[in-house]
Amino acid sequence: NAGVTQTPKFQVLKTGQSMTLQCAQDMNHEYMSWYRQDPGMGLRLIHYSVGAGITDQGEVPNGYNVSRSTTEDFPLRLLSAAPSQTSVYFCASRTRLAGGTGELFFGEGSRLTVL
Amino acid sequence: GQQLNQSPQSMFIQEGEDVSMNCTSSSIFNTWLWYKQDPGEGPVLLIALYKAGELTSNGRLTAQFGITRKDSFLNISASIPSDVGIYFCAGQKGSQGNLIFGKGTKLSVKP
Repeated sequence: NAGVTQTPKFQVLKTGQSMTLQCAQDMNHEYMSWYRQDPGMGLRLIHYSVGAGITDQGEVPNGYNVSRSTTEDFPLRLLSAAPSQTSVYFCASRTRLAGGTGELFFGEGSRLTVL
Repeated sequence: GQQLNQSPQSMFIQEGEDVSMNCTSSSIFNTWLWYKQDPGEGPVLLIALYKAGELTSNGRLTAQFGITRKDSFLNISASIPSDVGIYFCAGQKGSQGNLIFGKGTKLSVKP
């Protein structure tokens, strides 16, 4: 099973450039989310989605856009990259079915550097 | 935003030693989870706790859901080199709430 797949794994951008981090899951999970991980800051929620067509902001949404056109995919867009967005980004998903454990399944991460 | 206070930030221990780390919050959570992140990987769930006072084991790992529902701890007994990584606590309010993560405890094990 592939689980949660993120691409690319590594990316270097110049300030002002835009790009999209891709995330796909094959577990039919309703809930998908994006976190960023910075040293000493833990995992902070950027955006999340509880189903196709529904998205909402997390703790640190500024500078990022998301959309959820299918259950499987949840891309994260950086509109105009800034050095402060240098980070490791994780996509994660889980089921919302009653009786679910609440366990989040994470991808392997996308390491982004903005120069 | 809401925060979980996780301590210690880092630990350097000798192989075979026991390890203890904890998480506290000013808010009540219905679920506490503990994740481990290996270098270069995404976090993976170790233990999930659903009831106040619950004590759950997974091999050499033991975690407890605090009675007040505002804290949780994780113990690792007889540490081995593959225990190296970052351990995160996470709290969830309700069955559908977003997970809130602590800042992590970085564990180093000296053979």
